[in-house]
Amino acid sequence: GDSVTQMEGPVTLSEEAFLTINCTYTATGYPSLFWYVQYPGEGLQLLLKATKADDKGSNKGFEATYRKETTSFHLEKGSVQVSDSAVYFCAIYNQGGKLIFGQGTELSVKP
Amino acid sequence: EAGVAQSPRYKIIEKRQSVAFWCNPISGHATLYWYQQILGQGPKLLIQFQNNGVVDDSQLPKDRFSAERLKGVDSTLKIQPAKLEDSAVYLCASSPQGVYTEAFFGQGTRLTVV
Repeated sequence: GDSVTQMEGPVTLSEEAFLTINCTYTATGYPSLFWYVQYPGEGLQLLLKATKADDKGSNKGFEATYRKETTSFHLEKGSVQVSDSAVYFCAIYNQGGKLIFGQGTELSVKP
Repeated sequence: EAGVAQSPRYKIIEKRQSVAFWCNPISGHATLYWYQQILGQGPKLLIQFQNNGVVDDSQLPKDRFSAERLKGVDSTLKIQPAKLEDSAVYLCASSPQGVYTEAFFGQGTRLTVV
């Protein structure tokens, strides 16, 4: 079945470091792709999305590009802040109408 | 705009007891999801409703879990009897009908089975 695989965490970075969290998916056709974020003690919230190949989603300095050829949607940020510490989830909305999540990657940013 | 409301926030029960969770989605949202999130894992879809009809319940353990969506609005998820491995956060989410935009999540109910 369709699935999402994320890089293992936790990821620990110093403030202002460059962030990459890898995400690859398995799905038929052209799923929509998402990154959700879960801050400590809060619910999941959408960070960014892309709905077709080569689309770039961006929000709060984070970016991810829909790469159909490599079935990937890697999350990047040029300069992380302590306030970015959270768990990040990659997700796909597949042709069957299901929203499928990866296992999550915990990010910890140190001052 | 009010978000997705869930209650209770926390619940501790003994194994073999029953428990129910409640979800009130965003007004007008046709699609409602229940997810189970075990510590350290991503959310796993248990059941998906479109209005008051079930779209997908393939991963719902039907021998112990049940869910309903009343009049296409509120929803309840029940576990009876609970097992230790049911300890998790139960997330409810909703999204508008039509072209998919995003799912809006509630804060979840943290269930501990002892």
